[in-house]
Amino acid sequence: GAVVSQHPSWVICKSGTSVKIECRSLDFQATTMFWYRQFPKQSLMLMATSNEGSKATYEQGVEKDKFLINHASLTLSTLTVTSAHPEDSSFYICSARPVGTDYYGTDTQYFGPGTRLTVL
Amino acid sequence: QKEVEQNSGPLSVPEGAIASLNCTYSDRVSQSFFWYRQYSGKSPELIMSIYSNGDKEDGRFTAQLNKASQYVSLLIRDSQPSDSATYLCAVKTGNQFYFGTGTSLTVIP
Repeated sequence: GAVVSQHPSWVICKSGTSVKIECRSLDFQATTMFWYRQFPKQSLMLMATSNEGSKATYEQGVEKDKFLINHASLTLSTLTVTSAHPEDSSFYICSARPVGTDYYGTDTQYFGPGTRLTVL
Repeated sequence: QKEVEQNSGPLSVPEGAIASLNCTYSDRVSQSFFWYRQYSGKSPELIMSIYSNGDKEDGRFTAQLNKASQYVSLLIRDSQPSDSATYLCAVKTGNQFYFGTGTSLTVIP
């Protein structure tokens, strides 16, 4: 159980194009999904927290107009990298927190397999 | 000051030995603690969660939490080459998860 998928798993695009990454919780519902970015040999950097039916909360320094997040259902969140540039090339990972696990003793998050984005 | 600190390593242990990974955190009100394993090029995988002071064992893994000293550790017994990975400590404070930079572990056959 607790499987999270991401699509695509890797993508190569030209500079200036937009790329959409999907994050799905396959066997549970998630009120909250998180989007992370990880550069080579560095740790996870939280980009934004996405709650179903409401606007995402972005971390300081993350441009919300560049990284558009939509969390339209309890099983799907999308991240769109708009007008991608080579410096956006990174490993993008989503995670999902199951419904009903927001309280002490049960809270956790399950990670998707990641999407490797290369912008030429 | 970083929320969560880990020794980046690399930590090398021989096969069969005990690997000890440590993590400290800065916020005393943090209540939930997690260890994730991340293989190169892959996303993190949850190994253990711990919420109360003391030890929690799961197979070859033991998590230890000391809230008074604000540290959490992970022991891996009978280390195997397949345990070679980066181990991430995560701390939940309020509604936020904070990750350490990870400790790279190499188990030498």
